[in-house]
Amino acid sequence: AQSVTQLGSHVSVSEGALVLLRCNYSSSVPPYLFWYVQYPNQGLQLLLKYTTGATLVKGINGFEAEFKKSETSFHLTKPSAHMSDAAEYFCAVSSGTYKYIFGTGTRLKVLA
Amino acid sequence: NAGVMQNPRHLVRRRGQEARLRCSPMKGHSHVYWYRQLPEEGLKFMVYLQKENIIDESGMPKERFSAEFPKEGPSILRIQQVVRGDSAAYFCASSPEGPQYGYTFGSGTRLTVV
Repeated sequence: AQSVTQLGSHVSVSEGALVLLRCNYSSSVPPYLFWYVQYPNQGLQLLLKYTTGATLVKGINGFEAEFKKSETSFHLTKPSAHMSDAAEYFCAVSSGTYKYIFGTGTRLKVLA
Repeated sequence: NAGVMQNPRHLVRRRGQEARLRCSPMKGHSHVYWYRQLPEEGLKFMVYLQKENIIDESGMPKERFSAEFPKEGPSILRIQQVVRGDSAAYFCASSPEGPQYGYTFGSGTRLTVV
């Protein structure tokens, strides 16, 4: 069975500060890992994904995430937060099949 | 190049009525997936369809819910005799093949049962 835990349902950062959103997963098979962003009343947009290969994955809007197998983590980072980054972020895991297991989300607030 | 199109965006139904949610996948995509997002929760898988076939409906409630993806036209998620607990955002995603490449999601239909 697979599961995803996102630590912190709400995270606040100042504009220009580092963004760190945490995601830990559990999987008995090599995982496929994803980060999605959801703006208010919109659908989910894929930020980045890890399937195989390089463990540091770069995504859109300056975000990146690092797959750490030993820590079963896939944390999302961005060096400098922008007001437009305020949204809800979801981490998801898959075993390579069509079922994604989503975390409960982290709402990011960016303070001016 | 239109993305995954869902309509309506918002749907209000009284208890006991039927809700029909439509999803048109991206051009060239023949796999459709429905997920449900309950308030304060992550998305939960409901059903996976290909054209004219239900591949996996293990996430669908056993009663009142059905889904189809006909040869022509959009995929339809149908909820009969809605109850307050059906109030949620329903998202559709599509892919050209398997989802290991990452889903493309629509903007969702927000169902409110009053």
